Amino acid sequence: KNQVEQSPQSLIILEGKNCTLQCNYTVSPFSNLRWYKQDTGRGPVSLTIMTFSENTKSNGRYTATLDADTKQSSLHITASQLSDSASYICVVSTGFQKLVFGTGTRLLVSP
Amino acid sequence: NAGVTQTPKFQVLKTGQSMTLQCAQDMNHEYMSWYRQDPGMGLRLIHYSVGAGITDQGEVPNGYNVSRSTTEDFPLRLLSAAPSQTSVYFCASSPISPGLAHYEQYFGPGTRLTVT
Repeated sequence: KNQVEQSPQSLIILEGKNCTLQCNYTVSPFSNLRWYKQDTGRGPVSLTIMTFSENTKSNGRYTATLDADTKQSSLHITASQLSDSASYICVVSTGFQKLVFGTGTRLLVSP
Repeated sequence: NAGVTQTPKFQVLKTGQSMTLQCAQDMNHEYMSWYRQDPGMGLRLIHYSVGAGITDQGEVPNGYNVSRSTTEDFPLRLLSAAPSQTSVYFCASSPISPGLAHYEQYFGPGTRLTVT
């Protein structure tokens, strides 16, 4: 069964600190892996998309990594800001818009 | 561009009532879809469409109908609401084109539905 597991479920960090969110997947076939940010009461917004051949991709203070051999991905947030408080969802695609969603990591950045 | 819009933002229904959740996009995207998001679960696909006049079922289609008469609109109909349909519903769209562009999916702001 295709699954995407994220850890931790929730995380509290101080403003200005860095953090890393983890995503492990058992999905086949693999097309691409995406990270989304979902603010409370809003729809998910894409942060990064990585295909099989990419092992790192950045979007401002967000850096995603992908290890296709171990089927692991991480999202690193640098110098966190209060606006980073949100849920971060890892999604693995098995084909065009055939998506397996993780349950997300809820991040709270505290002043 | 307004992107993907959804109405209403909140709705309360009684068991057995019917209603339509509206979704529209102004990006000329061929692909549109509906998801539901429940606590402790990832988003699950209800129905999707790859163009006007073409719809198909996703992972959890029971109790929902869709139609796609135009590229812009993709309404979701609840035929006879049940408490199990209490959820947050998201509409999304994406282009169908070669390259990475077709990997992007744009989500609407969601409709929070409560069925009592």
